[in-house]
Amino acid sequence: NAGVTQTPKFQVLKTGQSMTLQCAQDMNHEYMSWYRQDPGMGLRLIHYSVGAGITDQGEVPNGYNVSRSTTEDFPLRLLSAAPSQTSVYFCASSQAGISMNTEAFFGQGTRLTVV
Amino acid sequence: GDSVTQMEGPVTLSEEAFLTINCTYTATGYPSLFWYVQYPGEGLQLLLKATKADDKGSNKGFEATYRKETTSFHLEKGSVQVSDSAVYFCALAGGTSYGKLTFGQGTILTVHP
Repeated sequence: NAGVTQTPKFQVLKTGQSMTLQCAQDMNHEYMSWYRQDPGMGLRLIHYSVGAGITDQGEVPNGYNVSRSTTEDFPLRLLSAAPSQTSVYFCASSQAGISMNTEAFFGQGTRLTVV
Repeated sequence: GDSVTQMEGPVTLSEEAFLTINCTYTATGYPSLFWYVQYPGEGLQLLLKATKADDKGSNKGFEATYRKETTSFHLEKGSVQVSDSAVYFCALAGGTSYGKLTFGQGTILTVHP
């Protein structure tokens, strides 16, 4: 089982460039989400999706777009990269929203540097 | 809103030492509580969880007890190994954040031989 796959693993962007972080899962999970990890701040939720065609904002959505055209894929788009978006990005999936009976599975992360 | 606070880090221990990483939370209702671990170069993995007051989660020698009276979920291990070196995250789900995880800041643990 591949689980949750993120690409690329590393990326350097110039300020103002755009890019898409890819996330795919093969577990037929309905719920997918994107987090960013910054030193001293833990993981913060950017956007999430409860199923194909349905997305919503998390705690820090500004500067990021998402879409969910299939159950398997949940790409994160940076339209105009800024140095403040330098971070490690994690995609996660789960059968449903996190609860006592649900476990979240995480990808290996994408380390993004914006110069 | 919901929040999770972990002890300041990093934590450096010698092998076989006792480990405690403190975690307290603020949430309405009855959240589920989790500890996730991130080994170097990897994503997060669920280490253990507890879903109601006085529940004890355990895995790989680690334990944490859900204490509603003190709103805490401290992580403990009696004898750490070098292989336990990682970043540990306390998290909750529920309360006002139904269906979503709220994470603490993370604690870096380094264990020396």
